[in-house]
Amino acid sequence: GAVVSQHPSWVICKSGTSVKIECRSLDFQATTMFWYRQFPKQSLMLMATSNEGSKATYEQGVEKDKFLINHASLTLSTLTVTSAHPEDSSFYICSAQTVDRMNEKLFFGSGTQLSVL
Amino acid sequence: GQQVMQIPQYQHVQEGEDFTTYCNSSTTLSNIQWYKQRPGGHPVFLIQLVKSGEVKKQKRLTFQFGEAKKNSSLHITATQTTDVGTYFCAVSEANAGKSTFGDGTTLTVKP
Repeated sequence: GAVVSQHPSWVICKSGTSVKIECRSLDFQATTMFWYRQFPKQSLMLMATSNEGSKATYEQGVEKDKFLINHASLTLSTLTVTSAHPEDSSFYICSAQTVDRMNEKLFFGSGTQLSVL
Repeated sequence: GQQVMQIPQYQHVQEGEDFTTYCNSSTTLSNIQWYKQRPGGHPVFLIQLVKSGEVKKQKRLTFQFGEAKKNSSLHITATQTTDVGTYFCAVSEANAGKSTFGDGTTLTVKP
């Protein structure tokens, strides 16, 4: 299957700093990528839809100035958590969409565990 | 917005028993997908259902899409310890461009 690489896998940072997370589709081009946040033992909450070459579409309640998304190429989307605070600590995960024989599949990165001190 | 309910939230079974998780939507769906997330891992695509009443099988897993395209089920026959994890459904409406995930059903299997 398609491979999506996400890094870093985990990051610890001080409150007030910014953290960038990268999501790369390694063997396919993804015009659409998605960013999720997952709390322990909970579901994936969609934060935003990242479209190559255009602005991201954010879900209701997600601060676009807080979570900056850049999808500069067909294989790379980045999520930057700006001025991180302890409440931003979470598991962030990206996915890239492929369409194969009319099947839309999401391939997920391995996720990034963010801890803000 | 799109609402999806997945039940049960947790299921504990003895190895060899069957397991079923259900996904129910408030609206008619374009398609539904199922994913499995192992503890500490990321979701992995299992299958996509598109047609009304569709039934697909993958070894011991049987996936069904309701006639009205509002609900779906995942059934595992004779569970094994390797089946442990959380099973999520993800639903899409026509032209939505995104999927909404259910809350997941976490399966534990006692050897």
